[in-house]
Amino acid sequence: GQQVMQIPQYQHVQEGEDFTTYCNSSTTLSNIQWYKQRPGGHPVFLIQLVKSGEVKKQKRLTFQFGEAKKNSSLHITATQTTDVGTYFCAENSGGSNYKLTFGKGTLLTVNP
Amino acid sequence: DGGITQSPKYLFRKEGQNVTLSCEQNLNHDAMYWYRQDPGQGLRLIYYSQIVNDFQKGDIAEGYSVSREKKESFPLTVTSAQKNPTAFYLCASSWDRGDTEAFFGQGTRLTVV
Repeated sequence: GQQVMQIPQYQHVQEGEDFTTYCNSSTTLSNIQWYKQRPGGHPVFLIQLVKSGEVKKQKRLTFQFGEAKKNSSLHITATQTTDVGTYFCAENSGGSNYKLTFGKGTLLTVNP
Repeated sequence: DGGITQSPKYLFRKEGQNVTLSCEQNLNHDAMYWYRQDPGQGLRLIYYSQIVNDFQKGDIAEGYSVSREKKESFPLTVTSAQKNPTAFYLCASSWDRGDTEAFFGQGTRLTVV
């Protein structure tokens, strides 16, 4: 089954408010990837985190990887209507048995 | 243009029929994947393949079959044994390393009536 749990499942915000989604695992992750899927579209890669405590930024998006490499978060500052979509975290097992497993995702809706 | 192509975009089948979904990539990726997406369920892994002529079951392989005869192709057959086949199916590919992004096709929405 899925190794990564993602919360919340849904989040509705007013435009300009911040948004955060969390990804948690009971086991240590080799790395974590984040994807965005627009309504009616397909998932698109956003970023990958590999190092313990890593923080990466993409404009208004901030991605963090926990010190224990068991959790990760995606934070969007001052949401815009273009941020609407489902955000997924994904973990791959790496090694010789490569397998990419996704969380259930967080659906973000933004009220203009 | 390089990319990953799924066809058709929409597919309708009668219950009890097998149906094959196409997935082709020209990115020279080693690994390919099939996911099923249902509302509120996220992406669930059906099958994945790291190399030609080899593939592994994912989390929900029952009722599905795949083949990997060519590096660029990874077709998925939804058999009549799959109890709830109506869903959105996504194919993806990546380099065969544990640290690379996956590229997705546009998806096929299968409806079984």
